[in-house]
Amino acid sequence: GQSLEQPSEVTAVEGAIVQINCTYQTSGFYGLSWYQQHDGGAPTFLSYNALDGLEETGRFSSFLSRSDSYGYLLLQELQMKDSASYFCAVRAKAAGNKLTFGGGTRVLVKP
Amino acid sequence: EAQVTQNPRYLITVTGKKLTVTCSQNMNHEYMSWYRQDPGLGLRQIYYSMNVEVTDKGDVPEGYKVSRKEKRNFPLILESPSPNQTSLYFCASSFKGREYEQYFGPGTRLTVT
Repeated sequence: GQSLEQPSEVTAVEGAIVQINCTYQTSGFYGLSWYQQHDGGAPTFLSYNALDGLEETGRFSSFLSRSDSYGYLLLQELQMKDSASYFCAVRAKAAGNKLTFGGGTRVLVKP
Repeated sequence: EAQVTQNPRYLITVTGKKLTVTCSQNMNHEYMSWYRQDPGLGLRQIYYSMNVEVTDKGDVPEGYKVSRKEKRNFPLILESPSPNQTSLYFCASSFKGREYEQYFGPGTRLTVT
């Protein structure tokens, strides 16, 4: 099966940079996704890495290294509205079209 | 407006009373899926469907049923709910081949007493 590990919580101040790591154990997968979920809300798609390297979308960037079984989401110039939970997810080749999520990282941004 | 809708949003029921949570999307997505979210466990996939009449089990299918008779609808059925199915449920959809980018409904909070 697949398992994805993320830190449970990260705290930072406005304007700072936060890196949320996601390590995974799966024999082969199509790519790594990231989702954001505010309290009381639904998850929303942030980014996807099909290939190794860095993908940048505004203040958020995502990175994937298949050789290291590792990825991360980088949140820059943190704003209060970035306080949310962030989930990584993979669709493993051996798992058909199942999507497996990590346990999520709660990011708390302080003034 | 492109969206995924779920009903009901909140439901309190008793053990053993059959219930259905509806899910509908207006984006012509082929792929639809159900997840449950529990504290500390993230999102776990219950069932998914690649297209009409095509469904498959996710990671936690026990106690649930689904059907996909129309492309836009993907109801989740709990034939005999139990307290351990108390959870927050999300329906999601995407285009085939873009399952990494799923659109989620607003969620259904279910309590089984």
